[in-house]
Amino acid sequence: DGGITQSPKYLFRKEGQNVTLSCEQNLNHDAMYWYRQDPGQGLRLIYYSQIVNDFQKGDIAEGYSVSREKKESFPLTVTSAQKNPTAFYLCASSGSGQETQYFGPGTRLLVL
Amino acid sequence: GIQVEQSPPDLILQEGANSTLRCNFSDSVNNLQWFHQNPWGQLINLFYIPSGTKQNGRLSATTVATERYSLLYISSSQTTDSGVYFCAGNQVGNDMRFGAGTRLTVKP
Repeated sequence: DGGITQSPKYLFRKEGQNVTLSCEQNLNHDAMYWYRQDPGQGLRLIYYSQIVNDFQKGDIAEGYSVSREKKESFPLTVTSAQKNPTAFYLCASSGSGQETQYFGPGTRLLVL
Repeated sequence: GIQVEQSPPDLILQEGANSTLRCNFSDSVNNLQWFHQNPWGQLINLFYIPSGTKQNGRLSATTVATERYSLLYISSSQTTDSGVYFCAGNQVGNDMRFGAGTRLTVKP
């Protein structure tokens, strides 16, 4: 099946810990995105990548880092510098025309 | 950046009723999408509709690009239509901007 997978479904972070969220796609899409969703709100862009080995900051990049070593993969690390990481994180991808975005099922991050 | 305003923020319907959701943009957009977020959080693509009208079953959408708004119509609503509906748009080369969503509850 073609699509976007995210893991884990739930993630718990301890104080001062870095955690990494996985996002993989087999749609052969060039562009990938990470969004954060807080309860009752819309999506805000954290980082995006339009091509392998290149990525740009979105509106709320502070406290997050990404890498894009393979076309299929765009992991997001939530660092200890992110003081309010509890949220729902969604990964998306799109073709090179930056048109239709397709979303993964999301990861819920909770702080212990 | 572009501001996206969705209305109404909340909508409660009886099963079988029709509804119209609206999305206004502060500037013109080249790409525009409607999504449905189900209770488990998954965003499902409904329409890619930068202009014109499209229909898919009980759902249809119309975008009037010159007036910077889009409408999503849901006819004969079902309980499975419940969830949050988002519109999002961008100009070429810029980030996709999302509205705050319309939360739809369809009661049996």
